[in-house]
Amino acid sequence: SAVISQKPSRDICQRGTSLTIQCQVDSQVTMMFWYRQQPGQSLTLIATANQGSEATYESGFVIDKFPISRPNLTFSTLTVSNMSPEDSSIYLCSVDGMTGATYNEQFFGPGTRLTVL
Amino acid sequence: RKEVEQDPGPFNVPEGATVAFNCTYSNSASQSFFWYRQDCRKEPKLLMSVYSSGNEDGRFTAQLNRASQYISLLIRDSKLSDSATYLCVVNRLLMEYGNKLVFGAGTILRVKS
Repeated sequence: SAVISQKPSRDICQRGTSLTIQCQVDSQVTMMFWYRQQPGQSLTLIATANQGSEATYESGFVIDKFPISRPNLTFSTLTVSNMSPEDSSIYLCSVDGMTGATYNEQFFGPGTRLTVL
Repeated sequence: RKEVEQDPGPFNVPEGATVAFNCTYSNSASQSFFWYRQDCRKEPKLLMSVYSSGNEDGRFTAQLNRASQYISLLIRDSKLSDSATYLCVVNRLLMEYGNKLVFGAGTILRVKS
């Protein structure tokens, strides 16, 4: 499986500011995803990061709040804009493990733990 | 109704016990199925894929019943290190942009000595 790193690993931010999270993969991957895991909850997909085109957002998530970049096949960023305490969460990127097989498992980065004061 | 439902637990079991987790999914378009394990303050890690014929990996056995839309995970001879949250995950292929994973809320397992 791919090795995935995220930066920063954690941050404490003031409300109203923005934070950009980076996700780097050690090999080229077709699909990259961004998830949020709020305290005590399971993972919720924010968006699929598409290389060379706009990200595809899930219901309840919008580009103005969570702009995403995907400049190449190994890197993506997620920005959490105009933060409020409700944005305190773990943000995880993942990549599709598909190698032509049927089973499209995903592998996750270590996550970014965000606290908004 | 949630698309993937699991008993949240916690399941508190002694070392050496056998424990089973169940999961149901509502979308018949689901294509593939997984169990992930998540340790406290860590990212989810793939435990095993779930095949229609059932599959086994050491002490872990997964079963899928497509007719009932039901997935199970059996852990035999539980170890202390098995303590974690187990996430039932289903994959749907979306015509627009590829596949999407939908996560259950997770079942907490605590193995005690």
